[in-house]
Amino acid sequence: GNSVTQMEGPVTLSEEAFLTINCTYTATGYPSLFWYVQYPGEGLQLLLKATKADDKGSNKGFEATYRKETTSFHLEKGSVQVSDSAVYFCALSPTTVFFGNEKLTFGTGTRLTIIP
Amino acid sequence: DAGITQSPRHKVTETGTPVTLRCHQTENHRYMYWYRQDPGHGLRLIHYSYGVKDTDKGEVSDGYSVSRSKTEDFLLTLESATSSQTSVYFCAISESTSGADTQYFGPGTRLTVL
Repeated sequence: GNSVTQMEGPVTLSEEAFLTINCTYTATGYPSLFWYVQYPGEGLQLLLKATKADDKGSNKGFEATYRKETTSFHLEKGSVQVSDSAVYFCALSPTTVFFGNEKLTFGTGTRLTIIP
Repeated sequence: DAGITQSPRHKVTETGTPVTLRCHQTENHRYMYWYRQDPGHGLRLIHYSYGVKDTDKGEVSDGYSVSRSKTEDFLLTLESATSSQTSVYFCAISESTSGADTQYFGPGTRLTVL
């Protein structure tokens, strides 16, 4: 079955540091890949997504590239801010969607804390 | 923001009591989902619905039932709550079956079963 493995947290960085949160996946075919972010006390929000190999998703200074050869979708940001403190979830959706599999598979989440 | 509300937002109940959580959407989206979030497990799908009266099980459906009598409402029921069902519950909606479609999440319900 499908699975997502992401970097264990928590991760603590200083403001303006470079961020990488690793995500690898197991799936048949070419799934769609997502990063969701959860701010304290809130539900998850889509941060970015990519639907095919070599696609790069980007939003709010975050980027992730869909790497089929390494089955990875690592999240990066060049200079983090205190406001980026949140929990980040990697997720995948099946290649072909039909009744019974319209589901996202989530990683366990990585808690990121940015110190001023 | 996607128009999704959950009620109640917080609930404390006792083992053995029935509990119903409500998810309400104003987007008229076809797909609705219930997840639970627990430390070390991320989000796990409980049940989902692909239309009025059309529902199916997720990976952790034991002890839960759902109903969808109207497009806008998706109810999650714990028939007899147990302490293992203490969790944060999220509802989500999605417009279609496309695998790349975004799921929009509600604010969550924190349930404590004593």
